[in-house]
Amino acid sequence: SQQGEEDPQALSIQEGENATMNCSYKTSINNLQWYRQNSGRGLVHLILIRSNEREKHSGRLRVTLDTSKKSSSLLITASRAADTASYFCATDAEAAGNKLTFGGGTRVLVKP
Amino acid sequence: DSGVTQTPKHLITATGQRVTLRCSPRSGDLSVYWYQQSLDQGLQFLIQYYNGEERAKGNILERFSAQQFPDLHSELNLSSLELGDSALYFCASSAGLDPNYGYTFGSGTRLTVV
Repeated sequence: SQQGEEDPQALSIQEGENATMNCSYKTSINNLQWYRQNSGRGLVHLILIRSNEREKHSGRLRVTLDTSKKSSSLLITASRAADTASYFCATDAEAAGNKLTFGGGTRVLVKP
Repeated sequence: DSGVTQTPKHLITATGQRVTLRCSPRSGDLSVYWYQQSLDQGLQFLIQYYNGEERAKGNILERFSAQQFPDLHSELNLSSLELGDSALYFCASSAGLDPNYGYTFGSGTRLTVV
């Protein structure tokens, strides 16, 4: 079963707009990570946020983590056509044997 | 290039056959993970090896097996293939036992069983 569940499943926005996607998980975690996957390609690690952190930035990416609600969000600001991809959250939890468990992903389409 | 090499990129085979997927981890990484990605099941963890030893098992079928060799490359063997085994198979690597710094993924092997 999947630890993380992303919402929405799909998102369509215009270039320049912000894209926000959410991830909810079930058990306590050590850290939560976000990955990007271009169609049919491998996953690329974007950002990691530890359980004692609340917010993290990397370029145009902003990730928040609310451990009380067991949820995280990924914000992509000023989106570009090249941001079109699927985005996955992944949790590192002792309950899952300290391996990453991935959610179902959010498909983001950025229209030029 | 992520540093994780998977071969072959594409594989088409018939039901009942056996195939071997190969993965070379990023230089210096000791852990190798195998994941299966299908449309209906998403990304499913199959198995992890660390420095040659099996460390964790996920939703891996008995028809599937894997190993990690002394040079740290890994192979995933899929036998008695069924149509439902058609999927993308990813290998990922990390430096240690825990995913504290994320995984580096290969570009995957697309397996089609006909």
